[in-house]
Amino acid sequence: SQTIHQWPATLVQPVGSPLSLECTVEGTSNPNLYWYRQAAGRGLQLLFYSIGIDQISSEVPQNLSASRPQDRQFILSSKKLLLSDSGFYLCAWSAQGTGGYTFGSGTRLTVV
Amino acid sequence: ILNVEQSPQSLHVQEGDSTNFTCSFPSSNFYALHWYRWETAKSPEALFVMTLNGDEKKKGRISATLNTKEGYSYLYIKGSQPEDSATYLCASSYGGATNKLIFGTGTLLAVQP
Repeated sequence: SQTIHQWPATLVQPVGSPLSLECTVEGTSNPNLYWYRQAAGRGLQLLFYSIGIDQISSEVPQNLSASRPQDRQFILSSKKLLLSDSGFYLCAWSAQGTGGYTFGSGTRLTVV
Repeated sequence: ILNVEQSPQSLHVQEGDSTNFTCSFPSSNFYALHWYRWETAKSPEALFVMTLNGDEKKKGRISATLNTKEGYSYLYIKGSQPEDSATYLCASSYGGATNKLIFGTGTLLAVQP
């Protein structure tokens, strides 16, 4: 069966520090991968999606970047965090083309 | 910019009440409508995926309908229980290999025992 792992669960980082959140999927090949963020009082916003290794699309201009160095690994990064990067980050995967998402357990990021 | 809207934002009901929420979405180039249930401290969990106009899906006491021509979907919960308390998210997709979902802001349901 397919599983998705996301870590860490919580993170408190100072402004200006770097960020790396990791997501891995098991039990499937060539998944679509997604990073979403929920900022306080807002809905889930799509940040990045990937349909294959090294194929990353960004949905909104921001202080973050994403990479997919392996088929089932998706990494969200920042070189210098801003206060506005605080939020709840969710990784998800889906089969290509159609179907629902399976979400990771999320990371609560607080930038102080 | 594609906007998916959900109403109400929040809902407080008594155990045993039936309730429903609305999701409206752009109908142009629509491909699929998804409903998720998101409990506090857990991951969103898929409830339904619907694609055809007039689709109805059911899972226990929860059901959903879809109108793709006018761009809305309803989620119904019959005889709400405290364990139904969660945020209910809807999301629409517009096809293609990317399968991007555009989420609404959710409806927070609180069921009082």
